Amino acid sequence: GAVVSQHPSWVICKSGTSVKIECRSLDFQATTMFWYRQFPKQSLMLMATSNEGSKATYEQGVEKDKFLINHASLTLSTLTVTSAHPEDSSFYICSASFPGQGNTIYFGEGSWLTVV
Amino acid sequence: AQSVTQLGSHVSVSEGALVLLRCNYSSSVPPYLFWYVQYPNQGLQLLLKYTTGATLVKGINGFEAEFKKSETSFHLTKPSAHMSDAAEYFCAVSEGGGYNKLIFGAGTRLAVHP
Repeated sequence: GAVVSQHPSWVICKSGTSVKIECRSLDFQATTMFWYRQFPKQSLMLMATSNEGSKATYEQGVEKDKFLINHASLTLSTLTVTSAHPEDSSFYICSASFPGQGNTIYFGEGSWLTVV
Repeated sequence: AQSVTQLGSHVSVSEGALVLLRCNYSSSVPPYLFWYVQYPNQGLQLLLKYTTGATLVKGINGFEAEFKKSETSFHLTKPSAHMSDAAEYFCAVSEGGGYNKLIFGAGTRLAVHP
C-alpha cells in the first residue's frame, strides 16, 4: 500500500483564492519531504525541500511567498498555493524518504490543481 | 551539478519484444540512480534503484537496469514487453549522492502495441 498520501487528488479553485495540498507519510516519520511540480507531458521539477520544524528550502525561481510550505509535524507537510492564477494549474507531487528499505524515496499519488 | 538525459522521448515496441529505455547521468559524486514509472494521472512508482554494490539491479514487473560507471549510464530493460507496461518512465539521480532530492530526466513514454 501507499506509504505517502496526498490530499486532495483533484482540486479546482477560482483565480485569486488559495488552496492547500497535504502530504502525509503513513506509519513513518519523515523529517524531510520534497515538493515537485509537473506540467502536462513534462518531467518533474523540484520546487522545495520541506524540513520539519524549520523553514522550507526553495529552488531557484520558485516564489516562496506564493508557494507556502509548512512541515509542522513529522508526518505532515502542506503546500499552499496563494492567490492562485491559471498558470499555477499543474500536477503537484510530494515525496518522502522512507526509513525502511534503505531510505527509499516514495512519492505521493499527486494532486491535480486547476485554477479557473 | 547533476543532470539526467533520457534518450528518446517516445519508444514504441511490440508486445513480447525487448524494452530498452536509455538514461545517462552526470554527477560529481557517486550517484544514487532511480527509475520510476508513472501511469496517466497518477503519482510515481519506484521500479528500481541503484545505490552501491551490484551494478545490475532487478526491480518490479520484470524490469532491470545496469549501472555502468564508465559510460555514465543506467539503462532500463525488460526482456518481454506487456501491454500493461505502457506508461511514462523517469530516470532520476539523487543530488549530492545518498537519499536526497531527485533530479529527473525528461521522461520516456513507452507505447506497447499488439
